[in-house]
Amino acid sequence: ETGVTQTPRHLVMGMTNKKSLKCEQHLGHNAMYWYKQSAKKPLELMFVYSLEERVENNSVPSRFSPECPNSSHLFLHLHTLQPEDSALYLCASSQVAASGIYTDTQYFGPGTRLTVL
Amino acid sequence: AQKITQTQPGMFVQEKEAVTLDCTYDTSDPSYGLFWYKQPSSGEMIFLIYQGSYDQQNATEGRYSLNFQKARKSANLVISASQLGDSAMYFCAMREGLMDSNYQLIWGAGTKLIIKP
Repeated sequence: ETGVTQTPRHLVMGMTNKKSLKCEQHLGHNAMYWYKQSAKKPLELMFVYSLEERVENNSVPSRFSPECPNSSHLFLHLHTLQPEDSALYLCASSQVAASGIYTDTQYFGPGTRLTVL
Repeated sequence: AQKITQTQPGMFVQEKEAVTLDCTYDTSDPSYGLFWYKQPSSGEMIFLIYQGSYDQQNATEGRYSLNFQKARKSANLVISASQLGDSAMYFCAMREGLMDSNYQLIWGAGTKLIIKP
């Protein structure tokens, strides 16, 4: 596997279900990101992990819960979602300098297209 | 105010013609980076090209070049000899500054490019 992979590619879930999205990066990067892409809206940054620590949570509802067990893996746990959470969820990774400054390009996975019924 | 503006919601271009996708940006920070990504209908966000604010020359990557006009705050993407596979959404994005919280990319609304055979 190369680059950034995401599973599943498509997910349909009811509002009472619990599911998880998985992201894995094979680029040796030390930062990972979750984005939400809704129709006709710019990409929204949800979470950032740098060196496995969460550094940003852009006021995301608690029904989204990220987990970063190591620098290569990132999960997004979903529970009691709403229909408006239906979107494309993109994972990305990049390399962060030892100074903590982000200068490198973010590389994205293929996304998980989520539909909440 | 919009920080990244892509004024062309959609474009039709004949195959083999060159195409220019517009992007203007707004920042007061002297250090910034500009990115172009391509998103086919499959969903994956594919990195195309990067231009740093201090770069003296316009960036080029194969058929992609970036027409960087700093004084006008524009960073247009030029695709030479367009191909049917270039049909996709194209996003311009900016990272501002060199502080340790500059992981945030600011995204434009995108331009949908359709290449006609």
